[in-house]
Amino acid sequence: EIVMTQSPATLSVSPGERATLSCRASQSVISNLAWYQHKPGQAPRLLIYSASTRATGIPARFSGTGSGTEFTLTISSLQSEDFALYYCQQYNNWPPGTFGQGTRVEIK
Amino acid sequence: EVQLVESGGGLVQPGGSLRLSCAVSGFTFSDHYIDWVRQAPGKGLEWVGRSRSKAIGFTTDYAPSVKGRFTISRDDSKNSLYLQMNSLRIEDTAVYYCARVVAVAGAGYFEYWGQGTLVTVSS
Repeated sequence: EIVMTQSPATLSVSPGERATLSCRASQSVISNLAWYQHKPGQAPRLLIYSASTRATGIPARFSGTGSGTEFTLTISSLQSEDFALYYCQQYNNWPPGTFGQGTRVEIK
Repeated sequence: EVQLVESGGGLVQPGGSLRLSCAVSGFTFSDHYIDWVRQAPGKGLEWVGRSRSKAIGFTTDYAPSVKGRFTISRDDSKNSLYLQMNSLRIEDTAVYYCARVVAVAGAGYFEYWGQGTLVTVSS
């Protein structure tokens, strides 16, 4: 099973600042990686798939980069609605499609 | 509008059973893979199982942690997916989500999710 490791566990950022979230895979997942945003009591929301493709309706301030084992989600200018949990998920090896443990983006 | 709505969660004793439902709308149910994913308190997301599309014969897969105890089924007439959970354990306590899959080479990512239903296994 591929292990996904996200860092940091918590990221404290001021509104308007840039946030950079990392996700590392224990072996190559090529570009088969997705990012999700999750707020308490809500459905998780797909942000990015294929490592760098924004899902429908996702603002341009969200961007994904990387391939192989190292991936990054960048939020260029944090808005109030962006404070949430973020998960990466690999879907190169199946089953299962493993998730990282999450990064919490909180208001500084 | 694509919607997935889970129901059926609740409190159950260890060893007991529960059936979760996922009612979908806004798309052709039989054309899509639908997965169950769960999140235990304070933990990350964990894939539970999959129901593939009609074109793939509605075949299913399960995580090792639930295989033999959980069963996924569908009722196309009701646009609903079910998760029958038997021999429940305390560690099955979680919020259970159903999610529509974009299948990629047999794997896939989750394009739409429900809001989840809480299952608590406790004596």
